[in-house]
Amino acid sequence: DGGITQSPKYLFRKEGQNVTLSCEQNLNHDAMYWYRQDPGQGLRLIYYSQIVNDFQKGDIAEGYSVSREKKESFPLTVTSAQKNPTAFYLCASSNLGTAVNEQFFGPGTRLTVL
Amino acid sequence: AQTVTQSQPEMSVQEAETVTLSCTYDTSESDYYLFWYKQPPSRQMILVIRQEAYKQQNATENRFSVNFQKAAKSFSLKISDSQLGDAAMYFCAYSIIQGAQKLVFGQGTRLTINP
Repeated sequence: DGGITQSPKYLFRKEGQNVTLSCEQNLNHDAMYWYRQDPGQGLRLIYYSQIVNDFQKGDIAEGYSVSREKKESFPLTVTSAQKNPTAFYLCASSNLGTAVNEQFFGPGTRLTVL
Repeated sequence: AQTVTQSQPEMSVQEAETVTLSCTYDTSESDYYLFWYKQPPSRQMILVIRQEAYKQQNATENRFSVNFQKAAKSFSLKISDSQLGDAAMYFCAYSIIQGAQKLVFGQGTRLTINP
C-alpha cells in the first residue's frame, strides 16, 4: 500500500528534551513537508525539502530541525529551543514533476509537553 | 506574501441540504492552485477538490463544487445533499505552480451536519 506513515501517533516530552518525529513515504515523491496545527488555526509550514540533502525553512522553523538523507524519509526534530511545542504535526509529500500538484498527508503525530 | 482567509469558524447544515463555505485569498501571482481539504475527527487530511487558476470552469467532484471568482479572489465550496460523513474541519489552501508548491492554509471552518 502506497502512502505516508508517521510515528509515533502520540508523543510526550519533558521540558528541555529534544524529540524526533518520523515521516516515511513510499510514493516516490520528490518533495516532503512538515506542518504544525494548533487549535483554531490552519496548518503552518515548518520545513520543506524538494530533493535529497536539501531543505528550506518554512514560516515557523525556529526551534525545529530536519534532515533529508533519503528520498523516502524526512524526520523532524523538535528541540528544547521551541518554546511552545505542544501541537499536532503533519507530514506531507508531493510529486513536483506532475501537473497534479496534490500534497498527500500522513496521519499526524500529537506532541504534548509535560 | 500570500494569505488565505476563511471568515466562518463554524457552520451547520441539515442533512440533505446544501451548504457553502467561504474562502478568500490574496496573491499577486496570475497562475496558482486552490484546494479544499477535509479533516474529519480522525485528523487525516483529505483532498476534496482542486482548481487551477487558469481554468475558468469551476471544478466539480460529485456533490462538491466550487465557485471560483478570480477577480474577486474568492473560492467558495458548495456541498450538496449534505451527509453525516461530511462533518469535519474544512481548510482552503493555496499554492503557486512553480518551485516547491508550498501550501498556504486558511484557519478552517468546522462543519456540523444535523440529522
